[in-house]
Amino acid sequence: AQSVAQPEDQVNVAEGNPLTVKCTYSVSGNPYLFWYVQYPNRGLQFLLKYITGDNLVKGSYGFEAEFNKSQTSFHLKKPSALVSDSALYFCAVRYSGGYQKVTFGTGTKLQVIP
Amino acid sequence: KAGVTQTPRYLIKTRGQQVTLSCSPISGHRSVSWYQQTPGQGLQFLFEYFSETQRNKGNFPGRFSGRQFSNSRSEMNVSTLELGDSALYLCASSLGTSPLYEQYFGPGTRLTVT
Repeated sequence: AQSVAQPEDQVNVAEGNPLTVKCTYSVSGNPYLFWYVQYPNRGLQFLLKYITGDNLVKGSYGFEAEFNKSQTSFHLKKPSALVSDSALYFCAVRYSGGYQKVTFGTGTKLQVIP
Repeated sequence: KAGVTQTPRYLIKTRGQQVTLSCSPISGHRSVSWYQQTPGQGLQFLFEYFSETQRNKGNFPGRFSGRQFSNSRSEMNVSTLELGDSALYLCASSLGTSPLYEQYFGPGTRLTVT
């Protein structure tokens, strides 16, 4: 069964420092990986996705993610964190073949400290 | 282009009642998915509709049902409400069911069951 894991419930980082939010996925077929962000009392917003090709994917608001097949990871990164980046981040996976549902991780709360 | 809209935004119901939530996808999007979000369980997939047909279903009891209309608008219904149904219900639309497509989320309907 497809699954993603976000091992950290919360990540704290100082403003201006680089940030990483971790995500690992189960190995089953060809995964398509996504990152979404959720601000308080809002729905989720799409940040970026990995389909195929270049392992480094660039997305919205300066975020990027690195697909690592050998480590089955898809970590979200940003070179310099902003206070406004504080939010809940979700990793998601969907596999090819038939009608596969999207599976979301449990979410990681990012707190950027001024 | 208008985003995904959900109505109502907030709802308070009592146990045993039923409720219907509505979702209007982004114009041109034909796939609509529903999720239940709670602090303890995270994002749980309910079902996905495409071309008025349910393509995928999550592990929820039969009290949860949905449908999609020819204009891609979707409704979900919960009958015989229980206290545990209190949650944020999110609707997401995408161009289709292919894993290539990211999802666009509405702001959600906050359901409180008393």
